[in-house]
Formats: sequence, structure tokens, C-alpha cells
Amino acid sequence: AQSVTQLGSHVSVSEGALVLLRCNYSSSVPPYLFWYVQYPNQGLQLLLKYTSAATLVKGINGFEAEFKKSETSFHLTKPSAHMSDAAEYFCAVSLGGDMRFGAGTRLTVKP
Amino acid sequence: AAGVIQSPRHLIKEKRETATLKCYPIPRHDTVYWYQQGPGQDPQFLISFYEKMQSDKGSIPDRFSAQQFSDYHSELNMSSLELGDSALYFCASSYTQGEAFFGQGTRLTVV
Repeated sequence: AQSVTQLGSHVSVSEGALVLLRCNYSSSVPPYLFWYVQYPNQGLQLLLKYTSAATLVKGINGFEAEFKKSETSFHLTKPSAHMSDAAEYFCAVSLGGDMRFGAGTRLTVKP
Repeated sequence: AAGVIQSPRHLIKEKRETATLKCYPIPRHDTVYWYQQGPGQDPQFLISFYEKMQSDKGSIPDRFSAQQFSDYHSELNMSSLELGDSALYFCASSYTQGEAFFGQGTRLTVV
């Protein structure tokens, strides 16, 4: 069965600093991978997705993620954090059906 | 563009009562997924339907049931509610089990 592990339940960065949120997946076949963002009391918003095309995926709000099969990773990055990026981020994996989510990483951005 | 519509947005029920949550998928989407997100938790997959038939089952309690109707909307029925059922319930829809789009969720509070 497919699953994802997010390393670090809390990440804190300064405004303007690099954001790196880690996600490793486990799947017997190449999966679809997703990053979602959730603001307080809001639904899940898709940031980006990997569906076996380009390994470097660009998403909304300046985020991107790179699929590395050799490392079974799909880490999320953003070169320069904004205060508005503070939220909960979920990595998710799917084999074309239901999704399995990671435990989430709460991103805090300090002024 | 039309999105996934969930109703109600908020629901308060007493213990042992029954609740029904509704989900209206994006037009022409044939697959519906239900997720439960407890406070501070990641979304947990409950159940999914494809073309009105149950396609996959996750950690859905026996007290819960769901179905997808001929117009593709879905309802999650929850009986004998417990305090621990208080959570955000998300519905997502997709076309032929492709990318899932999430609704804003129904926040259920059991008192």
C-alpha cells in the first residue's frame, strides 16, 4: 500500500528565507504525488502535483517540488517565504484512486 | 468554475444523534471520496464511490454509511454520534479516479 511520511511536524523560517518541507513516499509502483496547503478553518488547496511527467513540478504561490525516485522523495520548496505562507502543508500519494495523506507540517514564518 | 459543494458547512449534534452530510461533486465527475480530519490531524480516508458503486473503503466506522446517488451526489450518514466524531469532513470528487478536487468541508461538532 502507498503511504507518505512528512519529516518535521513544525518548520519555522524567517520571512525571505528558503522554505523546505520534506516528504518521502512508499509505493510499489510510480505514484501520483501531491502537496496541499490548508489555512486555518479552510479546506485543502492543491499546490502542485506530480503525475509522471516532468520531475520538477512548479505550483502556485511560487512553490515547487522535485520527484526523486532514487530517494523516494517529493520535497516542497520555495525560495523566499512570505508571511502569507504560514499554514499547514500536507503531502499526499495516490495510485489513481483515493489519497493517503502525510501527518502534515505546520509552517511558521517569522517577521 | 464550479467546485465541490458540501452542505452543511457547520453542524452541531448531540451524542447518540444522527447526522447526514452531503456532497455535490464537480459536474461530470464520477468519483467521490470522503475524508475525516480530526483536530490537529491529517485527513483520513473513509470511503469512495465510482459510478455509484463503492470503490474503496478506509477507516470508516460501522456506525457510518454512505452512498452515491444517480445524480452523482453523495451522502455520508453518521449514527449514534460520539464526541470523537467531532471533526472536519471533506468530500472530494474526480473524473475516472484522476486528480481529486476538495470541497470546503463540513465541520461537525458533537456535544
